[in-house]
Amino acid sequence: NAGVTQTPKFRILKIGQSMTLQCTQDMNHNYMYWYRQDPGMGLKLIYYSVGAGITDKGEVPNGYNVSRSTTEDFPLRLELAAPSQTSVYFCASSQTGRELFFGEGSRLTVL
Amino acid sequence: AQSVTQLGSHVSVSEGALVLLRCNYSSSVPPYLFWYVQYPNQGLQLLLKYTTGATLVKGINGFEAEFKKSETSFHLTKPSAHMSDAAEYFCAVSDLTSGTYKYIFGTGTRLKVLA
Repeated sequence: NAGVTQTPKFRILKIGQSMTLQCTQDMNHNYMYWYRQDPGMGLKLIYYSVGAGITDKGEVPNGYNVSRSTTEDFPLRLELAAPSQTSVYFCASSQTGRELFFGEGSRLTVL
Repeated sequence: AQSVTQLGSHVSVSEGALVLLRCNYSSSVPPYLFWYVQYPNQGLQLLLKYTTGATLVKGINGFEAEFKKSETSFHLTKPSAHMSDAAEYFCAVSDLTSGTYKYIFGTGTRLKVLA
């Protein structure tokens, strides 16, 4: 039972570099989400998708991009990494607003 | 707009004592409400959820929560704390805003259990 799989688990970037965080789910869920978690701030929604080909911004989208070409995959792209993007990133999926299923997280450090 | 407020970023209880973690929400339409738990260096796991029906919901590990519409609250309780309950707990709300389900989380409450 894979559920939601995120890669990589850890990554260190230099300022200005770019990278993609991968997220795959095998539950055939329509809804997928990217959150970032910072100490004392809870989880903030970056982007979400309601199905293949449909994405929209959340609370904190600046500096990120997403795509959803298939139901299973929802990659998060960081362009021109900045220290403010140092965080733990969680991908999650759900079916029609029911419970969220989370991946194990990707810890990103930008130096 | 949806919002979630968790009172107390840190709560300490003695082992065997009552656990009470507070959550208030705002939503313009009937919400779905959730409590998630996060153990160190792990993702979030669902503890319990309210969607419709009975307002007192039971979850895993002996936790329960009551949806009180008049108070816009969804507080989490457990009669007797165990050392293994030490973790961070997040309250979340989801509703069908603008035709889309978005989940908004509170800032979390870190529970410490004292021996």
